[in-house]
Amino acid sequence: EIQLQESGPGLVKPSQSLSLTCSVTGYTITSGYDWSWIRKFPGNKMEWMGYISYSGSTNYNPSLKSRISITRDTSKNQFFLQLNSVTTEDTATYYCARKGITCFDYWGQGVMVTVSS
Amino acid sequence: DVVMTQTPVSLSVSLGGQVSISCRSSQSLVHNNGNTYLSWYLQKPGQSPQLLIYKVSNRFSGISDRFSGSGSGTDFTLKISRVEPDDLGVYYCGQGTQYPWTFGGGTKLELK
Repeated sequence: EIQLQESGPGLVKPSQSLSLTCSVTGYTITSGYDWSWIRKFPGNKMEWMGYISYSGSTNYNPSLKSRISITRDTSKNQFFLQLNSVTTEDTATYYCARKGITCFDYWGQGVMVTVSS
Repeated sequence: DVVMTQTPVSLSVSLGGQVSISCRSSQSLVHNNGNTYLSWYLQKPGQSPQLLIYKVSNRFSGISDRFSGSGSGTDFTLKISRVEPDDLGVYYCGQGTQYPWTFGGGTKLELK
C-alpha cells in the first residue's frame, strides 16, 4: 500500500524558511508519477504548490515561483519542500500527494505549519 | 489561472437522502488531448483529502457507486445518493487540465 508521511517543524518565524519532508513507502518515487505539495489554508482554500516528477524535473505554481524549491533524495525515497521568506499568510496545513495524469490519488496526513514570531 | 467555483458552500442532508454539488470552471476543462481532467475529493473531519472521482465520472478504487460525477466543458456535478454518516465532510472539485492546477473552495456536507 502506498503511504506518504509529512514531517517538519510546526512553527516557523516570519522571514525564515519552511522546510518539510515527505517520506513515501510502498512505491518508488523514481518509478513514475509527479510528487506534489499542496496546502490548505484556514477557511478551506486549497493551493497546489508544485511537484517534482519521477525523472526529477520540477514545476511550480507561478504564485510561489520565486520562493519555492522542491527536491528529493532518491536513496531515502523522500522529497522535500522549501519555502523561503515566509509570512503569516503561509500558515496552513501542508500535504504531500502523488499525482498521476489526472488527479491526486494518494495523500499524506498533513502537517500544520504556523508562521509566527 | 482557472477559477473553480463550487456551490453551495454548505449543505444539510438527512441520512439516506440525496445531494448534488456543483462545480463551475472559468475556462473549459477539455484538454488538447480531448480528455477532461476534473476530479472530486472528500476531506473527512481530521483526515486528509481522499480521491473520489477522476476525469469527471470515473470512481476511484474502492469508492461506492453512491457517488457519481457528471458534466462537461465548464459545468460539473457530484451526486451522492443514500447519504451515510461517513459521507460527511468537505467536498472539493479540482482541475488538472491547465497549470497551475486549482481547486474549488469546498462544500461542507452536514447532517440536518
